[in-house]
Amino acid sequence: GESVGLHLPTLSVQEGDNSIINCAYSNSASDYFIWYKQESGKGPQFIIDIRSNMDKRQGQRVTVLLNKTVKHLSLQIAATQPGDSAVYFCAETSYNNNDMRFGAGTRLTVKP
Amino acid sequence: DAEITQSPRHKITETGRQVTLACHQTWNHNNMFWYRQDLGHGLRLIHYSYGVHDTNKGEVSDGYSVSRSNTEDLPLTLESAASSQTSVYFCASSEGTGHRGNTIYFGEGSWLTVV
Repeated sequence: GESVGLHLPTLSVQEGDNSIINCAYSNSASDYFIWYKQESGKGPQFIIDIRSNMDKRQGQRVTVLLNKTVKHLSLQIAATQPGDSAVYFCAETSYNNNDMRFGAGTRLTVKP
Repeated sequence: DAEITQSPRHKITETGRQVTLACHQTWNHNNMFWYRQDLGHGLRLIHYSYGVHDTNKGEVSDGYSVSRSNTEDLPLTLESAASSQTSVYFCASSEGTGHRGNTIYFGEGSWLTVV
């Protein structure tokens, strides 16, 4: 069946380093992708999105890359800070499938 | 600022009791959703609504119901709570029609324990 998944369940980085969180999807019809950040005890927060007509989108300290050929999405966080420690999920949806599916999440831990 | 609020934030209830979780959004979004989040499963859609008087079943709707009498509110009712419904529940909303290309914004969650 179709799925959205993450390559790594946990990621630990040093403060100041760059972080890369990966996500694979299998529905080739997916055309809209979102990254969410979820801090402990809180709801998921929107970070950045990308549509399938783009392969890169940049925000403040974050960049999302989309590789449709291999159905891969990544979130890059520059100069990772302790406040970036959280679970990050990708989500995908497609125009013909009125549904949004979420990955299980990757826990990012930033070491001081 | 517009927001989405859930109540109660924490609740303990007994098996068999009816429980209602409230969700209120002030964005005037057409779409509202309820998800549950469990370790190992990620977010799973329970019910959703695309407008007043519209409700639809999601992936894990058994044992839950919703009603949409106005734009702002989508209460989630557990008709007869079961221990399998112990979870964190998130309400969410989005603009526009359906999930199609519309960012979903989440509430802070309601932690429900069924004993």
